[in-house]
Amino acid sequence: GESVGLHLPTLSVQEGDNSIINCAYSNSASDYFIWYKQESGKGPQFIIDIRSNMDKRQGQRVTVLLNKTVKHLSLQIAATQPGDSAVYFCAENRPGSARQLTFGSGTQLTVLP
Amino acid sequence: NAGVTQTPKFRVLKTGQSMTLLCAQDMNHEYMYWYRQDPGMGLRLIHYSVGEGTTAKGEVPDGYNVSRLKKQNFLLGLESAAPSQTSVYFCASTPVQGGAFFGQGTRLTVV
Repeated sequence: GESVGLHLPTLSVQEGDNSIINCAYSNSASDYFIWYKQESGKGPQFIIDIRSNMDKRQGQRVTVLLNKTVKHLSLQIAATQPGDSAVYFCAENRPGSARQLTFGSGTQLTVLP
Repeated sequence: NAGVTQTPKFRVLKTGQSMTLLCAQDMNHEYMYWYRQDPGMGLRLIHYSVGEGTTAKGEVPDGYNVSRLKKQNFLLGLESAAPSQTSVYFCASTPVQGGAFFGQGTRLTVV
């Protein structure tokens, strides 16, 4: 079946460095993508989204890049802070799916002091 | 503005017992979902609803039932709990445009 997957299950970065979390998706029909952050013991928290008619979208310290040619999504976090340590999930939405989201298995980001 | 609220936060059940998880949202969202999250896996969709009075099966619906009698509430029921249903359950709601908002989760253990 179709799935959303992440290249790396864990990522460690030094505080102040930039982080890049990658995600591959397999359904070319997906038209909406979201990145979520989940801290331990909490529910997923919306970070940023992007529609398939865009290649890049920026938020506060975060940027999402979408490469439809290779079905790849990435989340860039600038000047990573200790509070950014969490599991990050990408999710895709397919047209006509009642806005259902298909989630990847997540990447654990650890920020080192 | 509370967002999405789930009750209870924790529960331990014996095999064969039943229970209902309640999800309430105060954002007037049409779409609501129940997911389960197991270690090392992403969230998997159990059931969802596109509006009051409607429900539909997701990816892993077996052993669960749902009801959406009121727009703001989405109930998830386990009629006869099994150890395989030990998981963390998340409710979410979605506006017509934009991403889903999640509750804080219910940690369920079936012994």
